[in-house]
Amino acid sequence: GDSVTQMEGPVTLSEEAFLTINCTYTATGYPSLFWYVQYPGEGLQLLLKATKADDKGSNKGFEATYRKETTSFHLEKGSVQVSDSAVYFCALSDQGGGFKTIFGAGTRLFVKA
Amino acid sequence: SAVISQKPSRDICQRGTSLTIQCQVDSQVTMMFWYRQQPGQSLTLIATANQGSEATYESGFVIDKFPISRPNLTFSTLTVSNMSPEDSSIYLCSVETGNTQYFGPGTRLTVL
Repeated sequence: GDSVTQMEGPVTLSEEAFLTINCTYTATGYPSLFWYVQYPGEGLQLLLKATKADDKGSNKGFEATYRKETTSFHLEKGSVQVSDSAVYFCALSDQGGGFKTIFGAGTRLFVKA
Repeated sequence: SAVISQKPSRDICQRGTSLTIQCQVDSQVTMMFWYRQQPGQSLTLIATANQGSEATYESGFVIDKFPISRPNLTFSTLTVSNMSPEDSSIYLCSVETGNTQYFGPGTRLTVL
């Protein structure tokens, strides 16, 4: 079945450091790919998405490129801020799976001032 | 996109009791989903609720424990029945629109 694997956390960075959170997926069809963010004590917010190969999703300085050849959707940000501290979830939605969204385990990010 | 609200935002309950969580969406949607997020864990889909039909439950979840109502295209409820401390989790309502899922703020449930 479909699955999402993302790097284990926690990830601890200093402010203004470069961020990469790796995400790879397994899917039978051509899924849409997502990154969601969960700030402390809050629900999930959609951060960005990409619906086909080579698409780049971007939002709030974060970006991720849909790489079909490596089945990856790594999240990057050039300069993190303390306010980026949160849990980040990689996810996929596959029409063959009835549009159910499959989530990775989540990666907790701590950004120190 | 969709704006989703949930009530209550949090509750502390005694074991053996039941709690009904409400989910309201600002637009009409066909598919609504209920997820559970146990402490420090990812999201697990409980069931999919379509208006006018019975909810479809995922493996490990049953209707007697998690009855769901879907009376119209903007509203759904999830009941957590006969609660035990293992049911302490965040419960999230979600809708699918434009091939993207959007989530409510969640209901944080603590069972003593």
